[in-house]
Amino acid sequence: AQSVAQPEDQVNVAEGNPLTVKCTYSVSGNPYLFWYVQYPNRGLQFLLKYITGDNLVKGSYGFEAEFNKSQTSFHLKKPSALVSDSALYFCAVRDRDQNEKLTFGTGTRLTIIP
Amino acid sequence: DTGVSQNPRHKITKRGQNVTFRCDPISEHNRLYWYRQTLGQGPEFLTYFQNEAQLEKSRLLSDRFSAERPKGSFSTLEIQRTEQGDSAMYLCASSDRGRREKLFFGSGTQLSVL
Repeated sequence: AQSVAQPEDQVNVAEGNPLTVKCTYSVSGNPYLFWYVQYPNRGLQFLLKYITGDNLVKGSYGFEAEFNKSQTSFHLKKPSALVSDSALYFCAVRDRDQNEKLTFGTGTRLTIIP
Repeated sequence: DTGVSQNPRHKITKRGQNVTFRCDPISEHNRLYWYRQTLGQGPEFLTYFQNEAQLEKSRLLSDRFSAERPKGSFSTLEIQRTEQGDSAMYLCASSDRGRREKLFFGSGTQLSVL
């Protein structure tokens, strides 16, 4: 079984400040980890992924995420937030040894305050 | 690429009626996925095709649900004898052979069962 937890429904950050959106996961095998973003009236968009290798993964729009195996976490980060980063963010996991199914978290709404 | 296209954008139906949704993936993407998303939740996996073969089905997909992908191009998702609990956003995604871990999502079909 695989699952994802996003402990914060809502995160508010002032523009220009660093942001973190938290994600922890559970998977029986080796994980593939992802972040997707959803803007209003638009489909989910891929941000970044961790497959193997370097624990720090860089993605679109200046976002990055760090894979921490011991804490089973994959937090999304950005050094300086923009108002345009305001959106709904989803973390997802797939068991690389099992199937093609992506399991998503419940999402975190990120609001950047000007 | 022109993106993943889903039709219709919205569908309102009465309980007990049958509905069919269509998804046109990005051309030459051999993998196609259906997900369902309800308010306040992340997308939930329904089924997955590689070319025309349906390789995975979630236990969420009851006997009233059927999906097809004839000729490995567009896909249809049919729900028979709709129930109010079927009300949700139905999302389609596709990925290609070389970048299978990056899913491209459509904007979805919003189903309301009255």
